Amino acid sequence: DQQVKQNSPSLSVQEGRISILNCDYTNSMFDYFLWYKKYPAEGPTFLISISSIKDKNEDGRFTVFLNKSAKHLSLHIVPSQPGDSAVYFCAVRPAGGSNYKLTFGKGTLLTVNP
Amino acid sequence: ETGVTQSPTHLIKTRGQQVTLRCSSQSGHNTVSWYQQALGQGPQFIFQYYREEENGRGNFPPRFSGLQFPNYSSELNVNALELDDSALYLCASSLANGRADTQYFGPGTRLTVL
Repeated sequence: DQQVKQNSPSLSVQEGRISILNCDYTNSMFDYFLWYKKYPAEGPTFLISISSIKDKNEDGRFTVFLNKSAKHLSLHIVPSQPGDSAVYFCAVRPAGGSNYKLTFGKGTLLTVNP
Repeated sequence: ETGVTQSPTHLIKTRGQQVTLRCSSQSGHNTVSWYQQALGQGPQFIFQYYREEENGRGNFPPRFSGLQFPNYSSELNVNALELDDSALYLCASSLANGRADTQYFGPGTRLTVL
């Protein structure tokens, strides 16, 4: 039973436009949410995170939104750049759990076209 | 400062064999976590090692075992390999009690079981 769902396997956007990646989770006990980016032949790299006590966190072109009532988070990238083309994973951590025992979604492949 | 490294890069084994994968932590990191990423899936937490002891385990059978050495490097051992063990194996290093977003992943070892 998947606790973290990324329902869009892929997303294609034009350079300069907004990319919106979505993630749904099932357990309200998760208290920390992260987005990772993964290029081929590399490990995932941390992108941005948000605590359950917030509903928005912004870092440059990247913004993560958390809707706890809907158990939904999203990652906005604006403006999108070709170098953003990668697989994006959302990951969650249960409250009181190990900082490193994360549950990941299946990922969304983002392609940004020049 | 060196990043997380893993060896070998690729490995082919046959069903029933045993395999050992290696991970060198990022300099200064004392905690190592291992993840399995099957094709089309997100990384799944296998276990974590701290102070040379297992410190948390995911839903993996006992034939998945590990070691951590005094220099904080780590090994993942898998016995009696099955076809479903074919996956990318990622290790991630971090500091104990650090934030979840301070976990750094290696590039992974691609294991193919025939």
